[in-house]
Amino acid sequence: EVQLVQSEAELKKPGESLKISCKTSGYNFASYWIAWVRQMSGKGLEWMGIIYPHNSETRYSPSFQGHVTISADKSISTAYLQWSSLKASDTAMYYCARLPVGYCSDSNCRDYGMDVWGQGTTVTVSS
Amino acid sequence: QSVLTQPPSVSAAPGQKVTISCSGDSYNIERNFVSWYQQLPGTAPKLLIYDNTKRPSGISDRFSGSKSGTSATLGITGLQTGDEADYYCGTWDSGLSAGVFGGGTKLTVL
Repeated sequence: EVQLVQSEAELKKPGESLKISCKTSGYNFASYWIAWVRQMSGKGLEWMGIIYPHNSETRYSPSFQGHVTISADKSISTAYLQWSSLKASDTAMYYCARLPVGYCSDSNCRDYGMDVWGQGTTVTVSS
Repeated sequence: QSVLTQPPSVSAAPGQKVTISCSGDSYNIERNFVSWYQQLPGTAPKLLIYDNTKRPSGISDRFSGSKSGTSATLGITGLQTGDEADYYCGTWDSGLSAGVFGGGTKLTVL
C-alpha cells in the first residue's frame, strides 16, 4: 500500500526555522515527483512546488519561490519542506502528495494528478 | 485570486446531477491536462479525475470530467449527502511553469 505520512503539528515563533517531513512507503520513492500544497484556514489549495527525488530537480510556484525550500532524501524515502525564517502568514495546513509525471519540459510537466496524499501537517506561527 | 476560476458554491437535491465549472486560459487548461479533487470536511484532498476524463481505480462512475478549450467541467450524478465537500480543479500553467488550482467549489446536497 502506498502511504505518505507527514510529521506532527508544529508551533513556532516568527523568525524561527522549520523543516517538516513526508515519509513515503509502498512504492519506488525516486521514480515519482512529490508535490507540496498549502491550505490556509478556510481557504483553498495552493500549489507550492514539486521535487523529483531521482535527481532532486525542483519546480516552484512563483508565489513560493525563495520563501521555501523543497528537498528529498532517497535513502529514507522522505521529502521535506523547509523555511529559514517563518512569518505569521505561513500559518496553514501543508500537504504532500505523490505526483506521477510523464515528462517535464522547461515550461510544463505532463502529470497524472496527485494520486496519494499525506494527512497534512499544521504549522502555526505565533509570537 | 486563483488562476483557475470556479463557482464558490453549487447545490442540488439528493439523486440529482450537478456540474462544477473550471475556467482558465490558453496557458493552462487549453494546453494541459486537468485533474479534479474532492476534499471532505477535515480531510486531505482525494484525486477524482485525471487527464481531463479518467477516473482512478476505486472512484465511482458517478463522477465524470470533460474539457473544451479553456474550460473544464466536473459532473456528479446520483448525488448523495456523502458527496458534500469542496471540489478543486488543477492543471499545469505553462506561463507560470508551475501547477495551479482553482479556488474551490463547495457542494451542498440539500
